[in-house]
Amino acid sequence: DGGITQSPKYLFRKEGQNVTLSCEQNLNHDAMYWYRQDPGQGLRLIYYSQIVNDFQKGDIAEGYSVSREKKESFPLTVTSAQKNPTAFYLCASRRSSLNEKLFFGSGTQLSVL
Amino acid sequence: RKEVEQDPGPFNVPEGATVAFNCTYSNSASQSFFWYRQDCRKEPKLLMSVYSSGNEDGRFTAQLNRASQYISLLIRDSKLSDSATYLCVVGVYGGATNKLIFGTGTLLAVQP
Repeated sequence: DGGITQSPKYLFRKEGQNVTLSCEQNLNHDAMYWYRQDPGQGLRLIYYSQIVNDFQKGDIAEGYSVSREKKESFPLTVTSAQKNPTAFYLCASRRSSLNEKLFFGSGTQLSVL
Repeated sequence: RKEVEQDPGPFNVPEGATVAFNCTYSNSASQSFFWYRQDCRKEPKLLMSVYSSGNEDGRFTAQLNRASQYISLLIRDSKLSDSATYLCVVGVYGGATNKLIFGTGTLLAVQP
């Protein structure tokens, strides 16, 4: 079955540590996105990529980094510069055409120890 | 001002009620519009796209008013299973931009 896989489902970070969240899709989608969701809040865009080896900052990119070396993969690194990383992280992908819907992974809950 | 604004609710309604959610967006260049549904601690799922002429899917009706930069969702004959957060989403495209912006969501609780 085609879809998006995020891992791990739960992740714990120590102070000063970088952690990487995985996102893989086999839908042959060009565009991929990372969102952050805090309790009772909507989704805020961290980074997105429209094509391999290219990505753009979203609204809250500080303290995060991404790479897009393969079409299927868009990992997100939460660096030690992100002082408030506890949140629910959602990866999504879609075809690049107008009106195409987003397909979401099941999310990663990141917490600070 | 947020790019996409929604009334956060919660909306507490009895089963069978009709409920309407509103959403406003600030970027007049917005070109696509959606309503997503999100259950607690789950990923959002597409409820329906919103077209200029308005569209209906069973008990759900979506409307778009480009002049007022306003989107609405109407749910008729509410079911207990409709309880969720409803997210308004707006697509902005152009040049290097291809992003979907989410509102903060409106929480609906349907009571028996």
